[in-house]
Amino acid sequence: DVKVTQSSRYLVKRTGEKVFLECVQDMDHENMFWYRQDPGLGLRLIYFSYDVKMKEKGDIPEGYSVSREKKERFSLILESASTNQTSMYLCASRLGQGNTEAFFGQGTRLTVV
Amino acid sequence: QQQVKQSPQSLIVQKGGISIINCAYENTAFDYFPWYQQFPGKGPALLIAIRPDVSEKKEGRFTISFNKSAKQFSLHIMDSQPGDSATYFCAASITSSASKIIFGSGTRLSIRP
Repeated sequence: DVKVTQSSRYLVKRTGEKVFLECVQDMDHENMFWYRQDPGLGLRLIYFSYDVKMKEKGDIPEGYSVSREKKERFSLILESASTNQTSMYLCASRLGQGNTEAFFGQGTRLTVV
Repeated sequence: QQQVKQSPQSLIVQKGGISIINCAYENTAFDYFPWYQQFPGKGPALLIAIRPDVSEKKEGRFTISFNKSAKQFSLHIMDSQPGDSATYFCAASITSSASKIIFGSGTRLSIRP
């Protein structure tokens, strides 16, 4: 079975801190995604990576950056956390074709205080 | 810019009834339309998907109906059960190696016993 593992289930950080959210997948998938999930807004794409060191901005990239140095790992970075970044963050991976299943991690609930 | 619009935001259905969730898309380049199911505390998981060359796809109690000319698709859950209570997301993507997955805003479905 495909496994997408996010490093933390719950995280509490202070305003202004630099925050790293890590995601690892074990199925050699080319594509990896970071979404945030907020009530009533669904899943909004933050960043997308289609290959190592390759990335594309999603719909809401402001305040975030990403890193993909190895195929299996995709990191989301909050450069200076703010309270409006309190949310559920979901990582997903998929084979390198748009008509294949995406597999999600269990999510990281981030609270910025 | 929301490219996939989903309704309703929440839905309550009696056990044994039919649950219907609707989605509409704007980008005619989309050619893969999956539905994801999410239970509390879990990441979304693929439920069923359709390509625009067919008008309907059925898997057990779950059916996707697709109307290419209207750019709309819907999920029907027949004989709805309490175990179907979850959040459902429609999505759209393009069959290419660097395609994003765009999700709708989600529908919280509750099945009353």
